[in-house]
Amino acid sequence: QVQLVQSGGGVVQPGGSLTLSCAASGFTLSRYYMHWVRQAPGKGLEWATFISLEGTNTLYADSVKGRFTVSRDTSTNTLYLQMNSLRPDDTAVYFCAKEVGLGTGAFDSWGQGTLVTVSS
Amino acid sequence: ELVLMQSPGTLSVSPGEAATLSCRASQNIGIDLAWYQQKPGRPPRLLIYGSFTRATGVPDRFSGSGSGTDFSLTISSLQTEDSAVYFCQNYAHWSHRFGQGTKLEIK
Repeated sequence: QVQLVQSGGGVVQPGGSLTLSCAASGFTLSRYYMHWVRQAPGKGLEWATFISLEGTNTLYADSVKGRFTVSRDTSTNTLYLQMNSLRPDDTAVYFCAKEVGLGTGAFDSWGQGTLVTVSS
Repeated sequence: ELVLMQSPGTLSVSPGEAATLSCRASQNIGIDLAWYQQKPGRPPRLLIYGSFTRATGVPDRFSGSGSGTDFSLTISSLQTEDSAVYFCQNYAHWSHRFGQGTKLEIK
C-alpha cells in the first residue's frame, strides 16, 4: 500500500539548515505531484512547496521562497526538503503529501510528520 | 489573494445527529475544494475533493457540496470518532490554501 515515511527533523538554531526526507513506497514518486505542508504548533495547515513529475518544476510559498528547496531522487523514490536560513517562525511539523492524481490538487497520502524546532 | 473562511470555529453536536461545516472562498474557485479531517498528533486525512467526490475508503456519512464561493461538508449520523478538526483546502492556480479549521466536538 501507499506509504510515506519521513525522517530528518530536529532542533536547529536560527540561521541554520536542515534536510527532511520522505521515503515513498507502494507507488512511484515520479508519477505524482508531491508537496510539503507544514503546521505550526497548535495552528492550521500551510502549504509550503510543490514539485512536478519530472522534478523540473517547483513552486514555493512566499514564506519559504529563496530559503527552501524541494527535490526528489527517483533511484531511491525519496522526496527531500532542504531548509536554509531557518527562522523561529519556521518551527512546525512538516508533512510530505502526495496528490490524488495529476492536477487534482488534493492530497490523499501524507507522511507521519516530522517536527522542526528553530530555537537558540 | 484567496482567503478561505471556515465557520463555525467550534461545533458541538450529539452522537447520531448531523453536522454541517462551512467554507467560504473570497473569490470564485469553481469546485476546486477539498476537505480534510485531522485528529491530534496525526496527519490530515483526505475526505472530499472536487467539492463532492469522496476519497477512497471514506464512509458515505461524509458528503460535500457547493461551488463558486460557498461550500459545505455534512457529516450525518455523527460518531464519537468524528471528533476532530476539519480543514478545507483550495488548489486552484496552485495556491493550495487552507482554511483555518473547524473543531468538531461530539458531546
